[in-house]
Amino acid sequence: EDQVTQSPEALRLQEGESSSLNCSYTVSGLRGLFWYRQDPGKGPEFLFTLYSAGEEKEKERLKATLTKKESFLHITAPKPEDSATYLCAVQATIGGGATNKLIFGTGTLLAVQP
Amino acid sequence: KAGVTQTPRYLIKTRGQQVTLSCSPISGHRSVSWYQQTPGQGLQFLFEYFSETQRNKGNFPGRFSGRQFSNSRSEMNVSTLELGDSALYLCASSPIPNQPQHFGDGTRLSIL
Repeated sequence: EDQVTQSPEALRLQEGESSSLNCSYTVSGLRGLFWYRQDPGKGPEFLFTLYSAGEEKEKERLKATLTKKESFLHITAPKPEDSATYLCAVQATIGGGATNKLIFGTGTLLAVQP
Repeated sequence: KAGVTQTPRYLIKTRGQQVTLSCSPISGHRSVSWYQQTPGQGLQFLFEYFSETQRNKGNFPGRFSGRQFSNSRSEMNVSTLELGDSALYLCASSPIPNQPQHFGDGTRLSIL
């Protein structure tokens, strides 16, 4: 069964204290791995898509990496405005065709204190 | 460019009623998906539509249904509401399937 596990569930950092969030996945036929950010009362905001092991993407203080079994979201010198829930999702192959079905992890709640 | 628009933002219903939620995708996006978000289960896939055709359906009872119109706007319907249907219902769109999806801010459905 396709599954996504994120750790830790919650993370508290001091401003400027770098860290990483983990996303482990089990999926038959990975088409893509997605990172989203969700603020309270809002829908998830798209951050990155990774398609193959070894791929890396960067955006401001965030960097996402992908291996065959997991993905990491590295946060360098975070600021209070980076506080949010970070969600990881995988897109699997269904019948060999394109699909938008995403399987989400339960997220990491990040709090960055000034 | 306007994002994904979901209406209404908040809805209160009682058990046994039915409800219809609406989603207008980003202009030019023809693929629409729906998700249910709850504190216990997280985000779960409901169904996806492309060119007015349902392509995939998640593991939800038949009380959950949806449709897509020729202008790509989508609606989802839940009949015979149960207390457990209380959730945030999110709509996401992409230009075509298998491309990054962009989410609306959802409809918060509360069942009394």
